Amino acid sequence: NAGVTQTPKFRVLKTGQSMTLLCAQDMNHEYMYWYRQDPGMGLRLIHYSVGEGTTAKGEVPDGYNVSRLKKQNFLLGLESAAPSQTSVYFCASSYSPQTQYFGPGTRLLVL
Amino acid sequence: AQSVTQLDSHVSVSEGTPVLLRCNYSSSYSPSLFWYVQHPNKGLQLLLKYTSAATLVKGINGFEAEFKKSETSFHLTKPSAHMSDAAEYFCVVLTGNQFYFGTGTSLTVIP
Repeated sequence: NAGVTQTPKFRVLKTGQSMTLLCAQDMNHEYMYWYRQDPGMGLRLIHYSVGEGTTAKGEVPDGYNVSRLKKQNFLLGLESAAPSQTSVYFCASSYSPQTQYFGPGTRLLVL
Repeated sequence: AQSVTQLDSHVSVSEGTPVLLRCNYSSSYSPSLFWYVQHPNKGLQLLLKYTSAATLVKGINGFEAEFKKSETSFHLTKPSAHMSDAAEYFCVVLTGNQFYFGTGTSLTVIP
């Protein structure tokens, strides 16, 4: 039982490049979330999903897109990366909107 | 609007002395409240949660928190700090399907 895993662990992008972050969970959770963590700002919700095929915007959705084609996977896409998207990205999942289980994070540097 | 305020960005305590990390919240609804801990370069781990049952909530590693509606507070305490408690602590409020994080309190434990 791996819990929540994130791929990749670290990535460097140039401004304007695109990439996809993968979050996978093996706990059969309905809810999945993408956050970004910036110094002094805590975690901010980017997008979330309440089930397969559904997505919704969080606090800071601009510049990101998501997809939940399979229940166990939640993808976060950056179509045209900007330096302001340099951050640590965390994925989380939960059975209901209560206790969240977090992945180890992905560090993204946009030059 | 929902928000969480962690009143101290940094707290230092000596090993063996009590810990107090303060959190105030605002919520239009009866909230669910959480404390998470993040050790360096790690994901977040749930310490405890309040979901409208007992107002004094006990969590892992000897931590507890008291929900005080009249003061809109959910402070985290521990009677005796251990070196392994050094970490970042986040107070979180859940409203609907969205979690709102405080900006975090960094706890230093002095030997």
